[in-house]
Amino acid sequence: AQSVAQPEDQVNVAEGNPLTVKCTYSVSGNPYLFWYVQYPNRGLQFLLKYITGDNLVKGSYGFEAEFNKSQTSFHLKKPSALVSDSALYFCAVRDGVSSNTDKLIFGTGTRLQVFP
Amino acid sequence: EAGVAQSPRYKIIEKRQSVAFWCNPISGHATLYWYQQILGQGPKLLIQFQNNGVVDDSQLPKDRFSAERLKGVDSTLKIQPAKLEDSAVYLCASSLTRTGTRTSGIHNEQFFGPGTRLTVL
Repeated sequence: AQSVAQPEDQVNVAEGNPLTVKCTYSVSGNPYLFWYVQYPNRGLQFLLKYITGDNLVKGSYGFEAEFNKSQTSFHLKKPSALVSDSALYFCAVRDGVSSNTDKLIFGTGTRLQVFP
Repeated sequence: EAGVAQSPRYKIIEKRQSVAFWCNPISGHATLYWYQQILGQGPKLLIQFQNNGVVDDSQLPKDRFSAERLKGVDSTLKIQPAKLEDSAVYLCASSLTRTGTRTSGIHNEQFFGPGTRLTVL
């Protein structure tokens, strides 16, 4: 069965420092991986996705993520955090082979807090 | 481009009452999804439509939940009767096309609406 794990409930980082939000996944076939961000009282916003190709994916707002097949990870990164990056981040996976639907399996979310 | 619209934004009801949520996807998006997001959890898919047909409703509690997308555009999700554990945010999302086979090469992200926060007392 497909699953996604976000091992950290919260990540705290000082503004200007690099940030990493961790995500590991489990699928039966090749994974399609996504990161979404959720601001208070708003819906999820798409950040980036990995389908195939280059393991380093660049997305919105300066975020990037690295796909690591051997470690089954897809960590979200940003070289220099901003206070405005403070939000709830969700990793999601879709099984690229066995799934007959577009169903995304979401992690439980990681709250990122960037301090000035 | 207008985003996914949902209404109402907030709803408070008592258990055993009925409630309905409405969603209007982005124009031209064939695929529509309803997710349930319980506090502290990630969204969970309830039902997926492709145009006006159901693609996946395996996690929809069909004894109390129903959804329709009669004309292949907007959609309603209904709960009747509501239970305390239905308190959650109900998110609607849409995507341009249904992602096809592994070789299709196109895997469209889902665009989410602001959600409806339901509180069942």
